[in-house]
Amino acid sequence: GQQLNQSPQSMFIQEGEDVSMNCTSSSIFNTWLWYKQDPGEGPVLLIALYKAGELTSNGRLTAQFGITRKDSFLNISASIPSDVGIYFCAGRGTSGTYKYIFGTGTRLKVLA
Amino acid sequence: EPEVTQTPSHQVTQMGQEVILRCVPISNHLYFYWYRQILGQKVEFLVSFYNNEISEKSEIFDDQFSVERPDGSNFTLKIRSTKLEDSAMYFCASRVSPMGEVGNTIYFGEGSWLTVV
Repeated sequence: GQQLNQSPQSMFIQEGEDVSMNCTSSSIFNTWLWYKQDPGEGPVLLIALYKAGELTSNGRLTAQFGITRKDSFLNISASIPSDVGIYFCAGRGTSGTYKYIFGTGTRLKVLA
Repeated sequence: EPEVTQTPSHQVTQMGQEVILRCVPISNHLYFYWYRQILGQKVEFLVSFYNNEISEKSEIFDDQFSVERPDGSNFTLKIRSTKLEDSAMYFCASRVSPMGEVGNTIYFGEGSWLTVV
């Protein structure tokens, strides 16, 4: 079945640094979503991408839908302590499916 | 802001018992999902539901699982005979409709944490 691989698996950064993470797949996706999950809570939608090449920002967050439709990246600029959490990508494939598959997650820790 | 609500937030149950997890999707949404997340792992798709029937389901969603929309606002997940490995956080999600793309994304509830002992 379709799988999404996220990297890095985890990262420790200093407050103020920029962060970049990505999501790749061997198959094509029609939609990419990026979520943040805090411990014990549900995923919260950060950014949604619908077209290949699309670049979308939400405050300090920027995400892009890869041209090949097999990847996406999320950047966080000037990280702050509340950026701590797990970031998941989720993709919706082709062939009429409306099922979203989640990536393996990137655990972010910000050191003040 | 409208949100997906789930109850209970946490349930402990004996192995073999039936469990019903409840969800109230966002009011104008028509397409519903259940996902689960075993502690420390990724979020896994279980089932999607539209127009009073299952649209897609994963291999996890076997005969022990069922979903229902008993009225105009609730969407439930039933596990008939719970197993230890069913212990997980279960998330309900909804989206406006299966048609169209822009703005048509899925929104998650806070989750129901199920512990099977």
